[in-house]
Amino acid sequence: QKEVEQNSGPLSVPEGAIASLNCTYSDRGSQSFFWYRQYSGKSPELIMFIYSNGDKEDGRFTAQLNKASQYVSLLIRDSQPSDSATYLCAVNRSGGSYIPTFGRGTSLIVHP
Amino acid sequence: DTAVSQTPKYLVTQMGNDKSIKCEQNLGHDTMYWYKQDSKKFLKIMFSYNNKELIINETVPNRFSPKSPDKAHLNLHINSLELGDSAVYFCASSQDHRVTGTSSTDTQYFGPGTRLTVL
Repeated sequence: QKEVEQNSGPLSVPEGAIASLNCTYSDRGSQSFFWYRQYSGKSPELIMFIYSNGDKEDGRFTAQLNKASQYVSLLIRDSQPSDSATYLCAVNRSGGSYIPTFGRGTSLIVHP
Repeated sequence: DTAVSQTPKYLVTQMGNDKSIKCEQNLGHDTMYWYKQDSKKFLKIMFSYNNKELIINETVPNRFSPKSPDKAHLNLHINSLELGDSAVYFCASSQDHRVTGTSSTDTQYFGPGTRLTVL
């Protein structure tokens, strides 16, 4: 069984701080990794994907991937109360088709 | 204009009944998906269709039968509903079923969800 592990939280950070969300996965052959944001009662929304080792930045978001350690993380700089949501890590299985395995998500609370 | 729409938004029914959920996307995408999110927010892919052809069936009980009349629609029919089927069901679409490394093709767009409650 391929697994994706996330700390369920909640992770509480003050406004303006950096929020660090972590995800580990068991399938060493995985090649593509996704971060989704899900507000309470809403549908998931893709915010970042990363396929290569290293960092990928998009605005206030940075995804970091370390395939040797089977670890992917999401950093949110200058956190805002509007970032309060559940963040889902999804790891695609090896192969070309999109067949994601999701973690259970980390709840982030940004307090003013 | 809603990109991915689902009906109904809420569905409350008795055990043993049969029900359907409908999904439509107006994005011109080739691939559509059904996901189930349980009460602990665990999201799991159930099916994917590419151009009306079944690509993925993730060991879902055969009480669940998806149907894609055309590439813009993917419906989910559930027979003999059980208590454990209670969840939020999300439909999603993407340009293609393959991961290519570009945001335009690898972004999935989710519908608003259908909350199914089986009593």
